This record gives sequence, C-alpha cells and structure tokens, in this order.
Amino acid sequence: KAGVTQTPRYLIKTRGQQVTLSCSPISGHRSVSWYQQTPGQGLQFLFEYFSETQRNKGNFPGRFSGRQFSNSRSEMNVSTLELGDSALYLCASSIQGWGITGELFFGEGSRLTVL
Amino acid sequence: GQQVMQIPQYQHVQEGEDFTTYCNSSTTLSNIQWYKQRPGGHPVFLIQLVKSGEVKKQKRLTFQFGEAKKNSSLHITATQTTDVGTYFCAGRNFGNEKLTFGTGTRLTIIP
Repeated sequence: KAGVTQTPRYLIKTRGQQVTLSCSPISGHRSVSWYQQTPGQGLQFLFEYFSETQRNKGNFPGRFSGRQFSNSRSEMNVSTLELGDSALYLCASSIQGWGITGELFFGEGSRLTVL
Repeated sequence: GQQVMQIPQYQHVQEGEDFTTYCNSSTTLSNIQWYKQRPGGHPVFLIQLVKSGEVKKQKRLTFQFGEAKKNSSLHITATQTTDVGTYFCAGRNFGNEKLTFGTGTRLTIIP
C-alpha cells in the first residue's frame, strides 16, 4: 500500500512569508503527527491530530498551526517565517486510536529553506 | 515537560565491533519505541517495548526496557555498514499519547 505522502518535498521562502505543507497518511490511518527536524534540535514534536481534532501540541509559537480533514489528510501552516524555521518537516501517520498506541510511519519530509 | 536524552550523541566504530546507545527519560514511560534514520532518509520504526524489564531481539539488535520504565538501550552486535544511521528512542507518558523523541545517536562505521 502507498506510504505517507508529503508535498512539496522542497521549498524556498523568504522571511515574513507563510507556507503550507501537506501530508496524506497511509489509507486507514486516522492519526497524523508533525515533527520539525533540525541538526541541532533533533526531532521536535509540533502537533498530533486524530479524527480532525488536535490531540497534542508541542512547544512551538502560535505561528505554527495545523489541521486535519475528514479524509485524514493534514496540513500545517507556518506564518511570518523566520530564518530559524528552516528545517525538515516530517509527517507521520499511525493507526493509533484513543488508548491504543502504535508505530509511526513517516513520510519523506518537506525541506523548508527560509532566506 | 518530559525530556528524553540519548548517549552518546555520536559513535564511530570499526566494522564488526559492537555498538550500544542508551536512552533516559525524566519521567516514567508507558512504552518506548526505537527508530532508525539513514542519512538523507526518514525515521523507520524498529520496535516497541511495553513491559518493565522487557528484552527483545531482532537478529543482531537487542533492545531493553528498564525495570523502572525510565530507560532503554539498543545494542548492535558485530556492526555492518548497513547499520549506519541515527538511532532514536521515543517514549510515551502514561495518559499522554504524545511521543517524545530522544536526541538520537549517530552511528558511523569505519570499514
């Protein structure tokens, strides 16, 4: 079956702009999580959605937001981009439901460069 | 908040040598997972440990979950060039489904 699909794979933005990243989970997976990966900070949790509801949120400023649609696809948005937002943004899906935990399946990521 | 640390941050070994990475959580975990990320790739799930003191093996890889469920380790016997990558542990707290990743251990192999 198809894996987790993230688009776009690469993008370059300038400071002050905004960006929207998309994630299509594996068919049947209702949980989608987003992570920011940078060389210095490792994998930082952004947020997690399950059945269109944000279930958990990491310690990121309000410029970072996300949502999940009824088909489980998810988007994240970063407004007023800063140089420090340059990173690989990873989306992961899982079958995980309330009270059930499972492995995460990661997409290839969207590499954002802010100039 | 919950913190998950891994040591060492980097490890360079000769091919054929053993390798171990250690994971320590500031809080008791309900379960812990391990992932491997190859250079230029994305994290791939290796295993999940749930029970206190649990030990699981996958060929040359041995995973342990501490008795207090606050630490874990991954040991690779007789490393091969295919083992190159960064190994992450990731833990969940009781009552909170958020998965917190460790800082990672980057393994390089000297042929």
